[in-house]
Order: sequence, then structure tokens, then C-alpha cells
Amino acid sequence: DVKVTQSSRYLVKRTGEKVFLECVQDMDHENMFWYRQDPGLGLRLIYFSYDVKMKEKGDIPEGYSVSREKKERFSLILESASTNQTSMYLCASSLQGRANEKLFFGSGTQLSVL
Amino acid sequence: ELKVEQNPLFLSMQEGKNYTIYCNYSTTSDRLYWYRQDPGKSLESLFVLLSNGAVKQEGRLMASLDTKARLSTLHITAAVHDLSATYFCAVEPIQGAQKLVFGQGTRLTINP
Repeated sequence: DVKVTQSSRYLVKRTGEKVFLECVQDMDHENMFWYRQDPGLGLRLIYFSYDVKMKEKGDIPEGYSVSREKKERFSLILESASTNQTSMYLCASSLQGRANEKLFFGSGTQLSVL
Repeated sequence: ELKVEQNPLFLSMQEGKNYTIYCNYSTTSDRLYWYRQDPGKSLESLFVLLSNGAVKQEGRLMASLDTKARLSTLHITAAVHDLSATYFCAVEPIQGAQKLVFGQGTRLTINP
């Protein structure tokens, strides 16, 4: 069965801390994505990657960076967490190419920055 | 910039009734997705609509796409409590290659 695993379900951090959110997929997917979900705003794309060591900015990349050293793992990094980064973070993956029809999502990490 | 808007954002309905969720988008696209999210859970793919006039049905849910009107609908027939969830539509810009832009979500509550 297809699986996208996010390392933490809930995370509480303090302002200014460096935060790592980890995502691993076991489907050999080329594409991986990080979204944040906020009430009333839906999901917004932060960063995505089409291949190992490749990354591209999404719609709201400010304050975030990513790392993709291995095909199965895509990390989201908050260099200096701020309270406005309190949110639900969702990782997703998909196969390369427009022939693929859907994203597979992880269960999410609820991050609270105090 | 592509914008995706859902209507309504909140919907409370009784079991057995029919209703429709609307998804409007602002620029040309030929790919639209519907996802379901249960409370505390992640998103689950429901439908992928790939061309103008596409219609897909699964149980009591039916989705359609009108690319000329830039409109998709998710129709619920004879609602049951198990369909209570938040429903998202997402649009893939033609040049975007799976960079989906999501609507705000419609929180659907079905009361017995």
C-alpha cells in the first residue's frame, strides 16, 4: 500500500528555533511537495522537488527551505521559526509526468510555534 | 495568478438531501482534482477530471468539469452521515505539472 510518512504528528517549538519536518515515501515517486494548511485558506504550496537535489519554490516559500538528498526523503526546514508559521504541514508525493493523476498525502504535522 | 474558490465554505445538511459544492477557477486549466479530508486525517483523492465535460461518479458523489465556464461541481445525492468531511478542489495550471492550487475547502456536516 502506498505510504507517505511524516515523522511527527504534533510539534511544539519556540520562536527562533530551527525546525526540521521530515517526510518519507515508499513508492519510488519522483515528485515531492510540501504544503501548509490553514483554516479558510486551503492548502498552499511551499516548495516542491522533481528529483533528488532539485527544488523549486512554490507560492509561499519565504521563511522556509528544503532538502532532498535521497529520492524517498524530502525535508522542510524552518531556519528561525516564527509564530506565523504555526500551521498544519502536509507532505505529498507523485509519479513524474502528466500521466499521473494524483498526489498521495502524508497524515500531516501540526506545528505550534510559541 | 490562478485563484480557486469554493462555494459554500460551510454546509450543514440533513441525511437524504441533495446538494452541490461549486469550484470556480480563474485561469485556463484542463485538470481538476477533488479531495476529501476527514477530521485529523490527511487528504484522500476522490476524482480527477481531465477534460471539458468530464463526469465521474463514485457512490453518492458525482463530479463534473466545465472548462469553458472554469467551473467544477461536486454533487451529493441522498447524503449520509459518512460523507461528513471537508472537501477540496484543486486545479493544475496547464504549465504547472502537478503544482496544484487548492480551494479553501468546504466543510460538510450531514446530520441524521
